[in-house]
Amino acid sequence: GEDVEQSLFLSVREGDSSVINCTYTDSSSTYLYWYKQEPGAGLQLLTYIFSNMDMKQDQRLTVLLNKKDKHLSLRIADTQTGDSAIYFCAVPVHNTDKLIFGTGTRLQVFP
Amino acid sequence: DAGVIQSPRHEVTEMGQEVTLRCKPISGHDYLFWYRQTMMRGLELLIYFNNNVPIDDSGMPEDRFSAKMPNASFSTLKIQPSEPRDSAVYFCASSPKRDTEAFFGQGTRLTVV
Repeated sequence: GEDVEQSLFLSVREGDSSVINCTYTDSSSTYLYWYKQEPGAGLQLLTYIFSNMDMKQDQRLTVLLNKKDKHLSLRIADTQTGDSAIYFCAVPVHNTDKLIFGTGTRLQVFP
Repeated sequence: DAGVIQSPRHEVTEMGQEVTLRCKPISGHDYLFWYRQTMMRGLELLIYFNNNVPIDDSGMPEDRFSAKMPNASFSTLKIQPSEPRDSAVYFCASSPKRDTEAFFGQGTRLTVV
């Protein structure tokens, strides 16, 4: 089945860039998603990328997709303390309606 | 729309008791998902429905878990009997159609003592 992996923790200084990485196994996914979970809350869609794109930029967010290596990354420019949260990549499973989430990366931003 | 609504937000119960978690999806959404989140296992898909019909329940841990969707605006996840290892945050999510964004509820934090 689909396997989605992320590193568990990332700590960055305020103002620096954060890069959160994700690897997956099913290369036929159409859209790939990044979700954000703040403490005590549900997950909210942050951004997404279509599988025929290499890069998508949305204000401080840049999503990079390397289909050959099945690698997805989320870059947050000028990281702020309000960006502290858990970030999940999510990948649809081919020929199903399932959305499989990675293990989540806890981003901590310090002053 | 108020979004996906889950109740209760917190539930504490004794081992062996029946627990029922509730979810109201966003109106007009065809898909409803139940997820469980724990520190050890992350976010796991338990079951999902399409147009009120259960499509895949392969993620349901065991027979103690059951889920229903009697109509388009309501779903339940029941655990009977509950065990301490069921302690987790349970999320319900809905999406309008295939391959689209899933909208999550705030979750139910279940503690079984």
